[in-house]
Amino acid sequence: DADVTQTPRNRITKTGKRIMLECSQTKGHDRMYWYRQDPGLGLQLIYYSFDVKDINKGEISDGYSVSRQAQAKFSLSLESAIPNQTALYFCATSDRSAGQGVNEQFFGPGTRLTVL
Amino acid sequence: SQKIEQNSEALNIQEGKTATLTCNYTNYSPAYLQWYRQDPGRGPVFLLLIRENEKEKRKERLKVTFDTTLKQSLFHITASQPADSATYLCALGTGAGSYQLTFGKGTKLSVIP
Repeated sequence: DADVTQTPRNRITKTGKRIMLECSQTKGHDRMYWYRQDPGLGLQLIYYSFDVKDINKGEISDGYSVSRQAQAKFSLSLESAIPNQTALYFCATSDRSAGQGVNEQFFGPGTRLTVL
Repeated sequence: SQKIEQNSEALNIQEGKTATLTCNYTNYSPAYLQWYRQDPGRGPVFLLLIRENEKEKRKERLKVTFDTTLKQSLFHITASQPADSATYLCALGTGAGSYQLTFGKGTKLSVIP
């Protein structure tokens, strides 16, 4: 979905390096999410943010941090990358005005990260 | 422990037949359930949402059922086509206010011409 963009699309890095993945959206949504996807494990929530001042840990936040620089931007950082953080990372957004219980999420194209 | 299970990792069916995918969950009380389609190397795309008080939802060739007693959702694609080949993910609305989604691992559907 071109409304949600992620950069870079592919990244190869070395163990111990700091990496930032960026997500931007033009949908005007308040809520943004970061997931990782591993073969056989499905999508796992890393962090989510319901507005610029509200950031929450997901089920697998250890080793990651995030920054919500603006409503439209949500960045994911790996402070010191390790090989088991090799995965496909997705950013997603959803619309607060849709109301409770209606939470269709719009996903970006993903970032394939390889940590050597 | 909480668990979401999609019946099989892979499902092969003949073109024109109805594909039925299953999503079972334990120790959740979701306010709603969603189904997404994911093509290789791409992000998931939303297909359908069904609320806990709804039994069935339809959209074109797609049909979803939701049985909160059985803790199960069925996802049907009628008159399947090779273009329907993809991985299908179910997701439960979870967390406070049900604003988070917890995803199953997905079922890879292959429609054979």
